[in-house]
Amino acid sequence: GQSLEQPSEVTAVEGAIVQINCTYQTSGFYGLSWYQQHDGGAPTFLSYNALDGLEETGRFSSFLSRSDSYGYLLLQELQMKDSASYFCAVPHHNQGGKLIFGQGTELSVKP
Amino acid sequence: DVKVTQSSRYLVKRTGEKVFLECVQDMDHENMFWYRQDPGLGLRLIYFSYDVKMKEKGDIPEGYSVSREKKERFSLILESASTNQTSMYLCASIPPGATGYTFGSGTRLTVV
Repeated sequence: GQSLEQPSEVTAVEGAIVQINCTYQTSGFYGLSWYQQHDGGAPTFLSYNALDGLEETGRFSSFLSRSDSYGYLLLQELQMKDSASYFCAVPHHNQGGKLIFGQGTELSVKP
Repeated sequence: DVKVTQSSRYLVKRTGEKVFLECVQDMDHENMFWYRQDPGLGLRLIYFSYDVKMKEKGDIPEGYSVSREKKERFSLILESASTNQTSMYLCASIPPGATGYTFGSGTRLTVV
């Protein structure tokens, strides 16, 4: 089967850097994606890593190590508006387009 | 930008009612999905569709059915609503080969 693990919650202060980890188990791997969801809102797509390494998009970066079945989302210069839930996800191993989601990490940014 | 529109933001229905949740996307995407989201359980896939009139069961299809008569519309049907179907329902679409879903704003359904 496929499964993903991420911490249930993380707390950080404004201006700091925070890393949200995700480990996955999958019989076939095509990439790791990240979504952000504010309370009561829809998840929005943040990033996708198919290859090892760090991908940077503004204050957010995403890292993947396929050999370790591990990735993380790095948020820099934290702002209050970054308080949200963050989900990692992988494509199903033989049903393209279908995503398996982690249970989400709730990030609280304190002043 | 792709828009995925779910017809209702909040719904309250009675146990035993037949409930229709509608989802429409405006970018001609083949792939559409229905998830439910519950605290502590994350997003779980109910049904998905790769094209008109095609449907596939997800991980938790029991008590649900779907309809895809037109490419842009994917409807989730609760045949006989029960209280354990109280949840947030999220529709998503994605074109083939793309890497990110576009989600609708969700329907928070309460079954009383």
